[in-house]
Amino acid sequence: SYDLTQPPSVSVSPGQTASITCSGDKLGNKYVCWYQQRPGQSPVLLIYQGSKRPSGIPERFSGSNSGNTATLTISGTQAMDEADYYCQAWDSITAVFGGGTTLTVL
Amino acid sequence: QVQLVESGGGVVQPGRSLRLSCAASGFTVSSFTMHWVRQAPGKGLEWVAVISYDGSNKYYADSVKGRFTISRDSSKNTLYLQMNSLRPEDAAVYYCARDVTEIGNDYWGQGTLVTVSS
Repeated sequence: SYDLTQPPSVSVSPGQTASITCSGDKLGNKYVCWYQQRPGQSPVLLIYQGSKRPSGIPERFSGSNSGNTATLTISGTQAMDEADYYCQAWDSITAVFGGGTTLTVL
Repeated sequence: QVQLVESGGGVVQPGRSLRLSCAASGFTVSSFTMHWVRQAPGKGLEWVAVISYDGSNKYYADSVKGRFTISRDSSKNTLYLQMNSLRPEDAAVYYCARDVTEIGNDYWGQGTLVTVSS
């Protein structure tokens, strides 16, 4: 099976930049998505194809994917960005999720 | 607008069966690849199953293969997950999600809770 590894937690000060990584074998060769999940809510698609934002997603969310690592970057982090973040990689129409990262805005 | 509404969750004893439903509105289920994703209490997301847009391909996570079956009813515009031989580790919130090719899961339901306990 294919595994994706994320750090369990990341902390950031308001207004600063947060980076959340997702590692997997040759991940740069796969389609990668990122989702945000606030407590008690369903996941929301933030990034697709590693770096593209769906309409309605703020520009402060960006992504990259190369080699074995995909990165979600949140610029000018706001208190409302405090949530769990999941990366997702696709193999044809099947998918695998990373373990998730809790972002704390201190 | 696009909406997905799951139902069918509840408390079930180990070894028993349960069928989850995901009623779609605002789009046609048979035109999209659809997924089930679950989340155990306090844990992360786990991909469970997928049915391709044309219904010709169905794939399952190893953890549920042989016990769960994904299906859909075009006349009811509804996705299903038949869960047999349930185990305590199957306890989770189950989400259905729409898949847009090369984009990802753009719409998710609110989830339905399955508890497996004697």
